[in-house]
Amino acid sequence: ETGVTQSPTHLIKTRGQQVTLRCSSQSGHNTVSWYQQALGQGPQFIFQYYREEENGRGNFPPRFSGLQFPNYSSELNVNALELDDSALYLCASSLLQGSEAFFGQGTRLTVV
Amino acid sequence: AQSVTQPDIHITVSEGASLELRCNYSYGATPYLFWYVQSPGQGLQLLLKYFSGDTLVQGIKGFEAEFKRSQSSFNLRKPSVHWSDAAEYFCAVLTGTASKLTFGTGTRLQVTL
Repeated sequence: ETGVTQSPTHLIKTRGQQVTLRCSSQSGHNTVSWYQQALGQGPQFIFQYYREEENGRGNFPPRFSGLQFPNYSSELNVNALELDDSALYLCASSLLQGSEAFFGQGTRLTVV
Repeated sequence: AQSVTQPDIHITVSEGASLELRCNYSYGATPYLFWYVQSPGQGLQLLLKYFSGDTLVQGIKGFEAEFKRSQSSFNLRKPSVHWSDAAEYFCAVLTGTASKLTFGTGTRLQVTL
């Protein structure tokens, strides 16, 4: 059974650019959530996907968007990058809504 | 709105000493509570969870936590800390139909030899 994997592990982008982060959920898990963790802070919920539909969103602007594919893998897209978007982006998958979430190792995004 | 408070930003203990990390939550309904551990630059690993039933829950690596509804607390404990336990610890509550995790700001544990 493979765990949650994220790619890339590190990324440097310039302000104003766009970025796509990828996540493969744990085998059999149909729910994927994305979190942003700024330095020295706890993770903040961005949004969740369940069976390819967005199923809840945190307090993030529309330039943060996502997709979930039929195999339950997911992408996080961020447009018009800002310096404050620099953070560790974590993906978590779960078998059912309301069950425990398993996290990937994260993607460290640096915006310069 | 739901929230999680971890009052201790940084704790230092000696190896072999006992440990208690505090967590208080605010949530109107029955909470689903979690403790996660994070090593530097890494993702989050689930230590233990409370959904219902016995209020003392056992987790991995010798950790346990006790749910106290009257105090809105879910403190993490370990009888004897090992140097490898040094990490950041996060308490979280699961809320809403979107199964959103709301995290505390974390407690950094340092272990001295």
